[in-house]
Amino acid sequence: GIQVEQSPPDLILQEGANSTLRCNFSDSVNNLQWFHQNPWGQLINLFYIPSGTKQNGRLSATTVATERYSLLYISSSQTTDSGVYFCAVEPGGYQKVTFGIGTKLQVIP
Amino acid sequence: AAGVIQSPRHLIKEKRETATLKCYPIPRHDTVYWYQQGPGQDPQFLISFYEKMQSDKGSIPDRFSAQQFSDYHSELNMSSLELGDSALYFCASSSAVGTQYFGPGTRLTVL
Repeated sequence: GIQVEQSPPDLILQEGANSTLRCNFSDSVNNLQWFHQNPWGQLINLFYIPSGTKQNGRLSATTVATERYSLLYISSSQTTDSGVYFCAVEPGGYQKVTFGIGTKLQVIP
Repeated sequence: AAGVIQSPRHLIKEKRETATLKCYPIPRHDTVYWYQQGPGQDPQFLISFYEKMQSDKGSIPDRFSAQQFSDYHSELNMSSLELGDSALYFCASSSAVGTQYFGPGTRLTVL
């Protein structure tokens, strides 16, 4: 099946710093999602982004489908950004989503 | 907009008991997926249903069974619970070849 790699696995940032999270995937995908899992375990969808660039406030994401990677940018990080960020891919219709192992982000004041 | 609904949100069971988790997909979504996320792990696919028929199967234990009903809601039945079954269980739904939308999850604790 499709492989999803995320880096870095862990990241500690000072509040106000910027960061880039990376997701590599091994095959073409129908869709790609970025999630933030909050301390209560909820998966909060950040972006549906099979290709191109999207922005939402301090967050933006870029997927280069031809090169099989996606980047999540967090600017001016805040302590509430702490948590685990997952990249998840859907190879095609009616197929399971495969998650990466996640990036655990800790933003310190 | 309506989202995927899961119930209960939290469940505590003893070893060897049974548990039933419910998932109500987004209206007009015909496909339901179940995922299990153990502590410190990423969510892993268990099973999916399309139009009430099982469409794919992952690493789901034989002690677990699931089905999708005529109103498209789905139930995950778990028997002979073990400590290792303690996890977050997510349901997702989609329509046709659309994107999967995830529910808030059910946190199962087995004591």
